Amino acid sequence: LAKTTQPISMDSYEGQEVNITCSHNNIATNDYITWYQQFPSQGPRFIIQGYKTKVTNEVASLFIPADRKSSTLSLPRVSLSDTAVYYCHLDNYGQNFVFGPGTRLSVLP
Amino acid sequence: EPEVTQTPSHQVTQMGQEVILRCVPISNHLYFYWYRQILGQKVEFLVSFYNNEISEKSEIFDDQFSVERPDGSNFTLKIRSTKLEDSAMYFCASSEAGGNNNYGYTFGSGTRLTVV
Repeated sequence: LAKTTQPISMDSYEGQEVNITCSHNNIATNDYITWYQQFPSQGPRFIIQGYKTKVTNEVASLFIPADRKSSTLSLPRVSLSDTAVYYCHLDNYGQNFVFGPGTRLSVLP
Repeated sequence: EPEVTQTPSHQVTQMGQEVILRCVPISNHLYFYWYRQILGQKVEFLVSFYNNEISEKSEIFDDQFSVERPDGSNFTLKIRSTKLEDSAMYFCASSEAGGNNNYGYTFGSGTRLTVV
């Protein structure tokens, strides 16, 4: 199973852009990269998914270099409510179910 | 927006008792999962279910655990004889196409199981 590595924690201030990078050196050809957000006592919530290059939606951007060995989640202008744990997850048609420990983002006023 | 519904939200049970955690996945989803999260720790995979059978399970999912889709809408996790270390949040998730779509897995809000 492909394994992901993320920073354990990050701090930021309100209004700043936050970039969280995930390493996945052994990513498989069929793996898609998905990021989730989890608040305390809630289930993880889908943020964004991509395979290569750049994906953008209303809440985040996902940057994936050509070799796909890493990915970066970009959150523009974070607010206090973005304080959460962010998980990078690789999935291969439902064949990789394991989540890493995630990155605990603390947004400070 | 479609949701995965879990009941109950909180369950307290005595050690050795059987518990059944219930989930209603999103109606057009085909893949179903159970995860658990011990307080302050990471989300741990338990089992995946597709086409009315288990497709993958982790080491945590031993003989004390079972899953069932009894009626085409509900997806249940049964713990036969609970232990103190089973205390955790249990999350159900579902996916339309194994997670390789634009929406990944949809998780429920969880059941907090407390074994006393």
